[in-house]
Amino acid sequence: DAGVIQSPRHEVTEMGQEVTLRCKPISGHDYLFWYRQTMMRGLELLIYFNNNVPIDDSGMPEDRFSAKMPNASFSTLKIQPSEPRDSAVYFCASSRDTVPQYFGPGTRLLVL
Amino acid sequence: GEDVEQSLFLSVREGDSSVINCTYTDSSSTYLYWYKQEPGAGLQLLTYIFSNMDMKQDQRLTVLLNKKDKHLSLRIADTQTGDSAIYFCAEYQGAQKLVFGQGTRLTINP
Repeated sequence: DAGVIQSPRHEVTEMGQEVTLRCKPISGHDYLFWYRQTMMRGLELLIYFNNNVPIDDSGMPEDRFSAKMPNASFSTLKIQPSEPRDSAVYFCASSRDTVPQYFGPGTRLLVL
Repeated sequence: GEDVEQSLFLSVREGDSSVINCTYTDSSSTYLYWYKQEPGAGLQLLTYIFSNMDMKQDQRLTVLLNKKDKHLSLRIADTQTGDSAIYFCAEYQGAQKLVFGQGTRLTINP
């Protein structure tokens, strides 16, 4: 198995632009998580899905953030419009239960 | 508060034992976890311990739990260069809330 796949690995954009991060979980994993990692706040859970259904999005910072999981093998995290304070590493993780087991390599986002 | 605390850096000689420490916040937490993050990669679940256990051993890894002091440690025996990574402890606080520490960067010296 290739593990959790994320794209792009790096993204540099200008403030106000839309950013879309993509994730392919490990096949057979029913849970998918989106995390954000910054130096100041460490790892924070943004949202997680179970069987493609969003279960808890209380960690999503504000309405500029949205996440979808149209099928079991694909999820997106969208930021529109992006702001410099959104700069972080965004991780997708998948698991067979409620605790994330495998994380992807992350997308390093820089908003100028 | 919600903070899970870890020291940021640890340096050991190859072949020695590494001990990574963590303090957590909620004495009623049911599970505590250790994750490993290798350079350029995501975190991977390494091991976990249930709160009614004091110790768990898995090959070179030993997890010790002191519930009274809310202290968790990860011991890596015979540390190898491949063990170089950032190690995160995480506390399950219920309702699918997993709180991570800041991570300890383990450096191996030859």
